[in-house]
Amino acid sequence: DQQVKQNSPSLSVQEGRISILNCDYTNSMFDYFLWYKKYPAEGPTFLISISSIKDKNEDGRFTVFLNKSAKHLSLHIVPSQPGDSAVYFCAASRMNYGGATNKLIFGTGTLLAVQP
Amino acid sequence: DAGITQSPRHKVTETGTPVTLRCHQTENHRYMYWYRQDPGHGLRLIHYSYGVKDTDKGEVSDGYSVSRSKTEDFLLTLESATSSQTSVYFCAISAGLTETQYFGPGTRLLVL
Repeated sequence: DQQVKQNSPSLSVQEGRISILNCDYTNSMFDYFLWYKKYPAEGPTFLISISSIKDKNEDGRFTVFLNKSAKHLSLHIVPSQPGDSAVYFCAASRMNYGGATNKLIFGTGTLLAVQP
Repeated sequence: DAGITQSPRHKVTETGTPVTLRCHQTENHRYMYWYRQDPGHGLRLIHYSYGVKDTDKGEVSDGYSVSRSKTEDFLLTLESATSSQTSVYFCAISAGLTETQYFGPGTRLLVL
C-alpha cells in the first residue's frame, strides 16, 4: 500500500520553462512534507519542505504547494535549468505523533529532464 | 554537505554470505537511519537509531540487523544475504526528532 505516490515516472521540460512535479498522499495524519533531489550515483539531497500549517513555501526558484483537502503537493521549479535534471522524491512524515523518530515515507520518484 | 560516509561504496557477494555496511558521520547527530532504494519503491526505511545502543525497526527490517556502539557509526548487517537484498543502501542522519534527514552517498550491493 503506497501511502505516498508520484504517478509520473518522468517529465521533460525545456530550459527556462516551469517544471511541475506532483505528489499525492493517502494518510491524513501526515503533517510534514519534503522534496529531495537525487543525481545518479549520489545520495538524495534535501531541497525544500512544508508543514501542514502552510499551503506554500518558497526558496529561490523552488516553490512547494500543499493542498490538504486534496492530499496533494507539488514542486514548481521556475525557471528550469539543465542542472535541475535529476530524480525528485517527495516524502511525508508525522512529525507530531509523539514517536521516537521522524519516519519518512517516500514516493517512487520522478525523473526530470530539462532540455537545453 | 553533511559529513556522512558509507563503506564500501560497491560490493558483490554471494547468496548466504554475511555482509556488513558501515555508515560514519562527523556531525555528532543523534539519529541515524538505513534505507534501501529499489525501482518502483522509492526509499524504504530498514532500521534506525535514536542514540548509542538504541535502535528500532523500520518498514522492511526482515533479514537485517543493526548496531550502534558509538555516536558516529551505524552498522547494517545482512546475516545471510539473499538476491532480494540486491539494492542501493543509503544511510541518513538528523540532529533531532523533527530535523531534516541528510543522506550519505550510498552503497550499491549485488547479491549473486
